[in-house]
Amino acid sequence: RKEVEQDPGPFNVPEGATVAFNCTYSNSASQSFFWYRQDCRKEPKLLMSVYSSGNEDGRFTAQLNRASQYISLLIRDSKLSDSATYLCVVKSSGTSYGKLTFGQGTILTVHP
Amino acid sequence: EPEVTQTPSHQVTQMGQEVILRCVPISNHLYFYWYRQILGQKVEFLVSFYNNEISEKSEIFDDQFSVERPDGSNFTLKIRSTKLEDSAMYFCASTPGQGAGYEQYFGPGTRLTVT
Repeated sequence: RKEVEQDPGPFNVPEGATVAFNCTYSNSASQSFFWYRQDCRKEPKLLMSVYSSGNEDGRFTAQLNRASQYISLLIRDSKLSDSATYLCVVKSSGTSYGKLTFGQGTILTVHP
Repeated sequence: EPEVTQTPSHQVTQMGQEVILRCVPISNHLYFYWYRQILGQKVEFLVSFYNNEISEKSEIFDDQFSVERPDGSNFTLKIRSTKLEDSAMYFCASTPGQGAGYEQYFGPGTRLTVT
């Protein structure tokens, strides 16, 4: 089983749509969870951290279910500028010095 | 805003040659990382570095790879004898701490092409 698994998409949605991405992780000892955004041939950039209580940042809402080892990202009112690859990322705990484990990424294209 | 920088942006080399990829992490950061991303694939962890030594490395990081922080500001990744399959984007990252609340900041990457 992959350490971090995402639906690769692509998701093609019109402007204004709501879109949801899901992710599962295999290591139950994982410590921290993130969504990163990656534009074509650019570096990953942190979109938001994900907390068990759920958290929101503007149009973006992230949820974590530790029991199911499941992470989600909801984007409301999609903009053209949201077109990117969304990476589900897990940080290990224990002896790992902050190593990040990335999912394959979910491609989102928002069209006019 | 401080940022991680990497040079060169693109490196072309022949198979069997040595390459050194350079990174300047954010100045007050203590933990440093290299990741790579083969075209069309996921970002993969290579190595973490703290207190002037490797703290963790992946299976990819074999004897052909080495890292160094030669002067307190630069952080380098050396590939001793490049292979075709080393062609990838190499990202450097740094963070001030490695607990739950600390973000890793990524550099813009070096595209390595091995011919």
